[in-house]
Amino acid sequence: SQQGEEDPQALSIQEGENATMNCSYKTSINNLQWYRQNSGRGLVHLILIRSNEREKHSGRLRVTLDTSKKSSSLLITASRAADTASYFCATVRTRSGNTGKLIFGQGTTLQVKP
Amino acid sequence: GAGVSQSPSNKVTEKGKDVELRCDPISGHTALYWYRQSLGQGLEFLIYFQGNSAPDKSGLPSDRFSAERTGGSVSTLTIQRTQQEDSAVYLCASSSPDVTYNEQFFGPGTRLTVL
Repeated sequence: SQQGEEDPQALSIQEGENATMNCSYKTSINNLQWYRQNSGRGLVHLILIRSNEREKHSGRLRVTLDTSKKSSSLLITASRAADTASYFCATVRTRSGNTGKLIFGQGTTLQVKP
Repeated sequence: GAGVSQSPSNKVTEKGKDVELRCDPISGHTALYWYRQSLGQGLEFLIYFQGNSAPDKSGLPSDRFSAERTGGSVSTLTIQRTQQEDSAVYLCASSSPDVTYNEQFFGPGTRLTVL
């Protein structure tokens, strides 16, 4: 499969707790991105981390990237019920022919209980 | 427009019929992508357009699938002789020219059901 792996597949937490999702991929990359999807429709971009970066923050989101292990993690701090969604990592491969096409992981379904 | 739009939002068709799915990208975005999301295969890249360059069709699953982009803006994805395994949500995304390091903006998708 061209896709990477994400774990866990599903995560259920209480509001206020932190949520951590992990992503592994198979080839060398230019960058890795995280997207959120509500109700199985359009995806919303959350954050992009380049291959030469190790950590990046955006609001309550923290992303790490370990290119030696070909893995990334997304941490959502102080979760809210509105964070309930599916989260996907997506990579842009080094040899994508400069198309920027995204290779998606299988996703993590996050449920945040009020 | 404010974002990427797709039509129809839902399409139900009979096996063997042809369908056309439409995507209107964000104005000024020269890069346009089609992806497919299905239960069995997850999110898959289908095709990529960039300006007047030849499209990257490497993700199209069969020759029943084709796409065009007229005038560098609107794109149409056509599936001929639809099969039940074509049932999926078809997502369109657009991006500004620096595709390697820019986010993609996704439309709401078209849910295709082939009976």
